[in-house]
Amino acid sequence: NAGVTQTPKFRILKIGQSMTLQCTQDMNHNYMYWYRQDPGMGLKLIYYSVGAGITDKGEVPNGYNVSRSTTEDFPLRLELAAPSQTSVYFCASSYSPGQGGFRETQYFGPGTRLLVL
Amino acid sequence: AQSVSQHNHHVILSEAASLELGCNYSYGGTVNLFWYVQYPGQHLQLLLKYFSGDPLVKGIKGFEAEFIKSKFSFNLRKPSVQWSDTAEYFCAVMGSGNTGKLIFGQGTTLQVKP
Repeated sequence: NAGVTQTPKFRILKIGQSMTLQCTQDMNHNYMYWYRQDPGMGLKLIYYSVGAGITDKGEVPNGYNVSRSTTEDFPLRLELAAPSQTSVYFCASSYSPGQGGFRETQYFGPGTRLLVL
Repeated sequence: AQSVSQHNHHVILSEAASLELGCNYSYGGTVNLFWYVQYPGQHLQLLLKYFSGDPLVKGIKGFEAEFIKSKFSFNLRKPSVQWSDTAEYFCAVMGSGNTGKLIFGQGTTLQVKP
């Protein structure tokens, strides 16, 4: 198992450019998440998905979009990059059978470091 | 709204010193609590978690945490740190609802001097 993989590892964008951060998991997890990590701020949830075709906003969704067409993939789209989106982005996944509450651990990818200039 | 607060932002210890990192959360219902660690250049890994039962939870690499409900705390401890414990540590609480969303604290950077 590769676990959760993310590409690219590092990217520099110009203001106004767009890009897609890729996230793939091979653990057949139904739940997937995108977080951003800013220095001294911990991780903030951007978007999450509870299964293919179902996504919802987290704490800081503005400026981002997601889609979940398959169980494995959960790409994060930046349409008009802004300096405020300079951050490290982490994708995570977990599995819940949907009964008895949520008790599962999230597994994180290695992160994508994004610099917007 | 739920929140997590980690009191120590940057801790410097010598090898063999004891460690305690504070974590307080605000949430009135049943909580699921986690400590994650991020070693330099690596992704987040789970250290330990608490869902129910014994409030003293043991994790990997000799770490443990104690859930004290009356104090809304989940402090992380290790009796004797090693240089390899140098990392950033995050406390997190699982949000309400059946979505598994995590709310993280600000993180604590631990530097262990050899």
